[in-house]
Amino acid sequence: GAGVSQSPSNKVTEKGKDVELRCDPISGHTALYWYRQSLGQGLEFLIYFQGNSAPDKSGLPSDRFSAERTGGSVSTLTIQRTQQEDSAVYLCASSLASRGVATEAFFGQGTRLTVV
Amino acid sequence: DAKTTQPPSMDCAEGRAANLPCNHSTISGNEYVYWYRQIHSQGPQYIIHGLKNNETNEMASLIITEDRKSSTLILPHATLRDTAVYYCIVRASWISSNTGKLIFGQGTTLQVKP
Repeated sequence: GAGVSQSPSNKVTEKGKDVELRCDPISGHTALYWYRQSLGQGLEFLIYFQGNSAPDKSGLPSDRFSAERTGGSVSTLTIQRTQQEDSAVYLCASSLASRGVATEAFFGQGTRLTVV
Repeated sequence: DAKTTQPPSMDCAEGRAANLPCNHSTISGNEYVYWYRQIHSQGPQYIIHGLKNNETNEMASLIITEDRKSSTLILPHATLRDTAVYYCIVRASWISSNTGKLIFGQGTTLQVKP
């Protein structure tokens, strides 16, 4: 596709269950970002992948959160033992690094996670 | 933490220019100024970015002060569809495993009124 694709668009899960959120970045984009946005709040940085380098995990709020990026393309954000405070929109973005120079990031439409 | 300061909200009359300020007094020489906006219930949308020269594209103009400590995003003829939260971000120009990430602050909520 032409843009960043996230799935599912909506997810309702029971407290204590694990969830996986998927992000398909724009083809060829080497950088991939995950953010979380709680209702009425700003974007909270979670994790950043750049090429084959070790990801920047400094924004992950707890060890229940993890993410991986397979083959430098698709990424999965996993939340284990979900809590009600995990309810938010999870946004993914990707960007192209041209000879190491940063370029604009393109965002997906997000996955709305509701923990009941 | 975000390295920028923006007013929390602004109003603008439809058809008039919207001027959104941003302070980034600690910006370093290799950091760009980026602007994004987020319309309600959508993902953020890239608007424009610049290093030290003023920039213009089909969406907006970006004016960066000579000392690069502040900038202004200008929407020349605001429409109701420009109502959104506008984010000003500083970001390293050279990306690696620990740079290049976008850190969003609280942004400015722009309300365009008829």
